[in-house]
Amino acid sequence: NAGVTQTPKFRVLKTGQSMTLLCAQDMNHEYMYWYRQDPGMGLRLIHYSVGEGTTAKGEVPDGYNVSRLKKQNFLLGLESAAPSQTSVYFCASSPIRLVNDTGELFFGEGSRLTVL
Amino acid sequence: AQTVTQSQPEMSVQEAETVTLSCTYDTSESDYYLFWYKQPPSRQMILVIRQEAYKQQNATENRFSVNFQKAAKSFSLKISDSQLGDAAMYFCAYRSGEAGKSTFGDGTTLTVKP
Repeated sequence: NAGVTQTPKFRVLKTGQSMTLLCAQDMNHEYMYWYRQDPGMGLRLIHYSVGEGTTAKGEVPDGYNVSRLKKQNFLLGLESAAPSQTSVYFCASSPIRLVNDTGELFFGEGSRLTVL
Repeated sequence: AQTVTQSQPEMSVQEAETVTLSCTYDTSESDYYLFWYKQPPSRQMILVIRQEAYKQQNATENRFSVNFQKAAKSFSLKISDSQLGDAAMYFCAYRSGEAGKSTFGDGTTLTVKP
């Protein structure tokens, strides 16, 4: 039961470096999301996708890009990392709305990113 | 835009006692879900309980129950017979029925004292 898998789990970057976080889900979910969690705060939505090939901005999209080339994968990219992007990043997925949709988000285990 | 407010940054409860965590939300939508998620030190987000807005009956899951007051836009979580394993950060979350996006509160850290 893999569910939602995020890689890498930990990463340390220098300011200005780029990196990509990969999220993979094996539940055939349509919706996928990227959140960030900062100390003392809840999860804030960065970007999300309602299906393969589509993405949309969330609350805090600046400095991030995403791609959903395959239904099961949702990539989060940082082109030029800044210390303000030090955070824990969570990927989540959920099925498209159906009669019996529980509405629940299924989360990955999080990725801790530190930008020096 | 929807907002979720958890007014209690920290709460504590004695083991075996009952505690209530508060949550209020703001929305103009009629179709939505509400959730409580638990985040232990492991960081994993765990669903505790869910409530569909169209259901008048309050959801219950074993020792966890909610008090859903739709008109007041209030969604509190009651934990009965608290256990040491209940210690965690608890997040209230709102999910739009249409767009599927979820908005989270800032969380309440629950401490359980033996």
